[in-house]
This record gives sequence, structure tokens and C-alpha cells, in this order.
Amino acid sequence: SYELTQPPSVSVSPGQTASITCSGDKLGDKYVCWYQQRPGQSPVLVIYQDSKRPSGIPERFSGSNSGNTATLTISGTQAMDEADYYCQAWDSSVVFGGGTKLTVL
Amino acid sequence: EVQLVESGGGLVQPGGSLRLSCVASGFSFRDYWMHWVRQAPGKGLAWVSRIKTDGSSTTYADSVKGRFTVSRDNVKNTLYLQLTSLRAEDTAIYYCARWIPSTILGYDYWGQGTLVTVSS
Repeated sequence: SYELTQPPSVSVSPGQTASITCSGDKLGDKYVCWYQQRPGQSPVLVIYQDSKRPSGIPERFSGSNSGNTATLTISGTQAMDEADYYCQAWDSSVVFGGGTKLTVL
Repeated sequence: EVQLVESGGGLVQPGGSLRLSCVASGFSFRDYWMHWVRQAPGKGLAWVSRIKTDGSSTTYADSVKGRFTVSRDNVKNTLYLQLTSLRAEDTAIYYCARWIPSTILGYDYWGQGTLVTVSS
């Protein structure tokens, strides 16, 4: 079965740029979504089709996908961005990455 | 406003059964594929099941195949998940989510989740 791999944790200072990666075999051939999940809350879609932002998602969230790696980038990271982030792709079934805890310190 | 509201979770003994519900509002429920996704305590998201718009097609994760059954009532705008032969490893928050197949290939709305705890 298809697998997506994310780093368990990423740390960033406020105002700096955070990058969270998601790796999978030929992932660049698939569309990737990213979800943000704050503690005690439901996931929220922040990126779809690799790099598109849903309405209401701040411009500081961006995404890319090429080769075997998709990347979620948060520019000018704020304290409110501290959350778990999950990548997701479709490969005859829905596949999630293991999640990355973003710490803003 | 799109809303998905789950209910039906609770404490159940191993081997027991439970039925989860997800009431949808604010959109044309019958036009969307719907999915169940779960999250074990302190763990990541895991896809559980999906159902086609008219209920004619269903798919399950291997871990729940033969034990869980997804269904829907497009008159009541409600999605269901029947859980049977429950195991400790089924303990999780269960979310219903709206699937967007063409433009997103992902979920644009999620419910608040309902907690299922399997324990004696």
C-alpha cells in the first residue's frame, strides 16, 4: 500500500519560515492536500491540489510538489500556526502522512 | 453554512457494537461522496470508509473490513457507520468528512468528531 512519510516535528521561531515535507513514491504525480489540526479541534484544509489555498486560508500558507516530495511552507509563522499538519494524497484510496507537530518558539 | 455533526460515540466493551451518525446541513448532501476518518488518541489520521452519493458503492480500510458498515439516508441528510466486533484498537475519535473528488481530491469540511472507547 502507498505510504506518505512526514517528519514527526518541526520547530520555527515566530516570523520565520517553516517547511514541512511529505515524501512518497512518485508523489509529484499525485495531488496533495495539507490539513492543519490544532489541539482538540478537527482538521482544516489549508492546501489542495499541491499549492492552492481554500478561501479564508492566509497567504502565508503555500505548497509545492515535485518528484517524491511535497512541501508545505508557512512564511512569517505566527504562534497561532502551532498545530499538527497532515499531508494527504489519493492512490486508489485516501492516504495520510503520519503528521508533523509544528512548534513555534 | 456547511455543518457536519457526529453523534453516537461512547464506551463499549470489546466485541460490542455501536452506530455512529453524521447529520449534514448547509449543502446538497445527496451530491457528495462522504467518508469516515478516525484518529486514535495521540495518533494521526486514518481513513476508514467511503460511500458514493447514492449509497451504491462503499469501500473500507482493511483494518475494519467485514466489521464496519457505512450507509447513508439522503432524505434525512445523514451518514452512518455501524461498528461491530469492536476491538481496543478501534478506540478513536471518528470524523465524518465531505469528499471533493475532482477539484480537491480531499476533504473540504469535517465534523467535530465523536469519541469511541472500546474497553472492558
